Amino acid sequence: GEDVEQSLFLSVREGDSSVINCTYTDSSSTYLYWYKQEPGAGLQLLTYIFSNMDMKQDQRLTVLLNKKDKHLSLRIADTQTGDSAIYFCAEIQLNTDKLIFGTGTRLQVFP
Amino acid sequence: GAGVSQTPSNKVTEKGKYVELRCDPISGHTALYWYRQSLGQGPEFLIYFQGTGAADDSGLPNDRFFAVRPEGSVSTLKIQRTERGDSAVYLCASSSSGGNSPLHFGNGTRLTVT
Repeated sequence: GEDVEQSLFLSVREGDSSVINCTYTDSSSTYLYWYKQEPGAGLQLLTYIFSNMDMKQDQRLTVLLNKKDKHLSLRIADTQTGDSAIYFCAEIQLNTDKLIFGTGTRLQVFP
Repeated sequence: GAGVSQTPSNKVTEKGKYVELRCDPISGHTALYWYRQSLGQGPEFLIYFQGTGAADDSGLPNDRFFAVRPEGSVSTLKIQRTERGDSAVYLCASSSSGGNSPLHFGNGTRLTVT
């Protein structure tokens, strides 16, 4: 199937780290993406990782990729209230140009 | 602006009516995508254009849905005989070449069918 799975909800205290997990479906996926969606807004590209990498760091964001387990994670260091949003992981499947999204994880940051 | 632009931002229509949703991609982007997002769900693929042609329309739910991109830039998603189940946010995205190029999304059109 085409299900990209994510946990639905994550709540963290401001200043702590957040880790959002994703399990994708296609071991041949070439790129994997993280998007952020704030209420009433479109999808904002946060970061992406090529499948031959196992880690990518971009300021407060760290992406980890475990190809064997088809597991992707997004770590946000020093989480701020402005990070509260829904986070989607997505994969590009090898033989199509379709970006397939997960169900999204709602991150809530409390003071 | 430099981003993907979608109009209208909101559209309310009566069941059975015809609607058109417009997407203006980032200048120079050859690939254009339409997605649909229902409440509490992730975006669902509808159709993908490479230039003027639909490279993959496998996500269109039925023949009431149609999309065009006649000059390889602006695209219109057309929905005939709208049903209440068509209510959703319709998202458009573009990328520089499709495939592995990142998709950049517009803010979407919220369609409500009453």
